[in-house]
Amino acid sequence: GNSVTQMEGPVTLSEEAFLTINCTYTATGYPSLFWYVQYPGEGLQLLLKATKADDKGSNKGFEATYRKETTSFHLEKGSVQVSDSAVYFCALIQNQAGTALIFGKGTTLSVSS
Amino acid sequence: DTEVTQTPKHLVMGMTNKKSLKCEQHMGHRAMYWYKQKAKKPPELMFVYSYEKLSINESVPSRFSPECPNSSLLNLHLHALQPEDSALYLCASSHSRGTENEKLFFGSGTQLSVL
Repeated sequence: GNSVTQMEGPVTLSEEAFLTINCTYTATGYPSLFWYVQYPGEGLQLLLKATKADDKGSNKGFEATYRKETTSFHLEKGSVQVSDSAVYFCALIQNQAGTALIFGKGTTLSVSS
Repeated sequence: DTEVTQTPKHLVMGMTNKKSLKCEQHMGHRAMYWYKQKAKKPPELMFVYSYEKLSINESVPSRFSPECPNSSLLNLHLHALQPEDSALYLCASSHSRGTENEKLFFGSGTQLSVL
């Protein structure tokens, strides 16, 4: 079946540090891949997405590249801020009708000044 | 308007109560979703409505009853819940389902506590 595996958290960084959150997936066919972010007390927001191999999604300084050969979609940011503290979810959806978004377990990021 | 609005934000109910959660969007989206999220866990899909028809029910107990009165509204009726049903209930919407461009817009959720 389809699944998403994220690195275990929490991830604790100092401001301006480099961030990587690993995400790998298992899917039949060619899914679309997403990163969602959940700030404390809020719902989820789409951070970025990629719909085919070698696509790079980017937003707010975050980037992730769809790597079909390694079935990965790692999230990176060159310089994190305290305001980036949140839970990050990697997710996929199969590109066919009758399916729904599948989330990884989430990675908590805590950035201190 | 790019918001999904959920009410109430917080709800405390006893195991014999009947209550309803409400969700509203005015983005013209034709797919709407209910997710359940326990603390420090990912959201779990409960129900999906597509064009006001229930298209996915992820084996959710009958004490949860969804309703989609029109394309902008989604309700979740609650009856005889158990303490383990306490969670954050998230509503989401998207333009349609099953496309590679599916982007979900989430509401802020209803934090439910069952006593």
